Amino acid sequence: EDQVTQSPEALRLQEGESSSLNCSYTVSGLRGLFWYRQDPGKGPEFLFTLYSAGEEKEKERLKATLTKKESFLHITAPKPEDSATYLCAVQANTGNQFYFGTGTSLTVIP
Amino acid sequence: DAGITQSPRHKVTETGTPVTLRCHQTENHRYMYWYRQDPGHGLRLIHYSYGVKDTDKGEVSDGYSVSRSKTEDFLLTLESATSSQTSVYFCAISESSGTDTQYFGPGTRLTVL
Repeated sequence: EDQVTQSPEALRLQEGESSSLNCSYTVSGLRGLFWYRQDPGKGPEFLFTLYSAGEEKEKERLKATLTKKESFLHITAPKPEDSATYLCAVQANTGNQFYFGTGTSLTVIP
Repeated sequence: DAGITQSPRHKVTETGTPVTLRCHQTENHRYMYWYRQDPGHGLRLIHYSYGVKDTDKGEVSDGYSVSRSKTEDFLLTLESATSSQTSVYFCAISESSGTDTQYFGPGTRLTVL
């Protein structure tokens, strides 16, 4: 069964304190892994797509990496405006469906 | 931002009443999706459409129906709403199904009393 697990559920960081969020997945052939950011009361906002193990993508203070079993979202020197819930999703080769994790709620304290 | 709007943005209804949620896009994307988001479950796919009048079921389709008569509009109907359908509903679009990214609308918060 295809599934996605994100950890930790919640993370509190001091401003400038770097850390990583984890997304572990089980899928019958990975077509793509997607990271989204979701602010309270809003829809998910696309961040990155990763397609194959070893791939990395960067955007400002965020860097996403991918292995055969998991993906990490590294946050370098976070700022309070990085506070949000970060969602991971995978798409299998077998169909159109995205499978989402339950997210990591990140709070960055000034 | 992708041109996706959802209406209504908030709705309170009673058990047993029919409810229709609308998703409208201005991107001319082929694929449209309806998800629900509940605490502890993440986003779950209800139905999706791969073209006008072409739809298919997702993971949690029971109690829901959809229709797409125009490229830009995708309707989600709860024929007889139940309290278990209280949720936040998101519409998403993608240009094609391959590895194309899905872009999400702002959501509709539905409460069934």
